[in-house]
Amino acid sequence: ETGVTQTPRHLVMGMTNKKSLKCEQHLGHNAMYWYKQSAKKPLELMFVYSLEERVENNSVPSRFSPECPNSSHLFLHLHTLQPEDSALYLCASSQMRLAAYEQYFGPGTRLTVT
Amino acid sequence: EDQVTQSPEALRLQEGESSSLNCSYTVSGLRGLFWYRQDPGKGPEFLFTLYSAGEEKEKERLKATLTKKESFLHITAPKPEDSATYLCAVQAGANSKLTFGKGITLSVRP
Repeated sequence: ETGVTQTPRHLVMGMTNKKSLKCEQHLGHNAMYWYKQSAKKPLELMFVYSLEERVENNSVPSRFSPECPNSSHLFLHLHTLQPEDSALYLCASSQMRLAAYEQYFGPGTRLTVT
Repeated sequence: EDQVTQSPEALRLQEGESSSLNCSYTVSGLRGLFWYRQDPGKGPEFLFTLYSAGEEKEKERLKATLTKKESFLHITAPKPEDSATYLCAVQAGANSKLTFGKGITLSVRP
């Protein structure tokens, strides 16, 4: 595997279900991110983890719960979601440094909440 | 608050018809401006990083330029395979966050 991988690629869940999204980066980076992408809207940053510590949480509802067990893996645990949570969820990784640094994205998980 | 505005929202070109995509930004202390390409149902693919005004970068038919207020992505003699959504993002100050624009959907007809 190379780059950033995400599983599953597609997920349909009811409002009462619990599911998890998984992300793995094979780039040796020290930071990982979760983004939400909805139609006609810019990418919304949800969470940032640097060296396995959560450094940013952009007012995300508690029904989304991130977990970063090590610098290569990131999870997003989902429970009691709402239909408006249907979107493409993207994971990204980067090597944090003082100069500007690009982020590399996975293919995303298309989530549909019914 | 950092702001990024991309225009036009959508652009349709004939194969071979060169054009430019615009990204205007308002930030305090720009560290870098990024261009990404996104195909339908896929994650954004990194294209370029620009660090300071006057900088230019090229890759095949794409050339990115940067001024103090905006960036352009010039597409020379585009092909149908250049059809995609092009995203612009900025990183500013001490923040690790990327602020994205809404993207420009480019369609190139054969």
